[in-house]
Amino acid sequence: SQQGEEDPQALSIQEGENATMNCSYKTSINNLQWYRQNSGRGLVHLILIRSNEREKHSGRLRVTLDTSKKSSSLLITASRAADTASYFCAKSSYGNNRLAFGKGNQVVVIP
Amino acid sequence: DSGVTQTPKHLITATGQRVTLRCSPRSGDLSVYWYQQSLDQGLQFLIQYYNGEERAKGNILERFSAQQFPDLHSELNLSSLELGDSALYFCASSAGTMGRETQYFGPGTRLLVL
Repeated sequence: SQQGEEDPQALSIQEGENATMNCSYKTSINNLQWYRQNSGRGLVHLILIRSNEREKHSGRLRVTLDTSKKSSSLLITASRAADTASYFCAKSSYGNNRLAFGKGNQVVVIP
Repeated sequence: DSGVTQTPKHLITATGQRVTLRCSPRSGDLSVYWYQQSLDQGLQFLIQYYNGEERAKGNILERFSAQQFPDLHSELNLSSLELGDSALYFCASSAGTMGRETQYFGPGTRLLVL
């Protein structure tokens, strides 16, 4: 079953704008990871956030985690054309390291 | 570059055939994972090996098998191929196996079954 579920959005934004995408899950997690995929290529790891963390930053990326709502969000600030990609959240549960991926969010940044 | 390598990049074969996909994990990583990405099923976990032993199994068909060798590289064998097996197959690696580590993905092998 897909435990990491993004809001099924396809975002189309102008360069320089912010992009926010969400991910919800159903059962307790150990950590949640966000990945980027450029048109059917490999998955690039962006950020890992642990269940006891609420927010993490990496460059222009900010990830939040709300375990009470079982949801996470990824914010890309000051977007660039190169940010055009699909973004996936993936969760792992305690005791195992298999990742359960959501369906992905397609983001298109228009120059 | 994640440090995870996969060969071949592309594979075209016919139904009923057998193929082998190969993966080399990042230096020092003991866990190897295989995932399948298809349009209808999305990204699905197939199987995990840790230091040569099978550790977890997901939605892996009986026609598929995998192993991890003493040098830690892994192979995924797909047999009696069907059209529906056409997909992108990813290998990932991590240092451990307790769900605390980042999984780094390889570039994938794109399999097309005709």
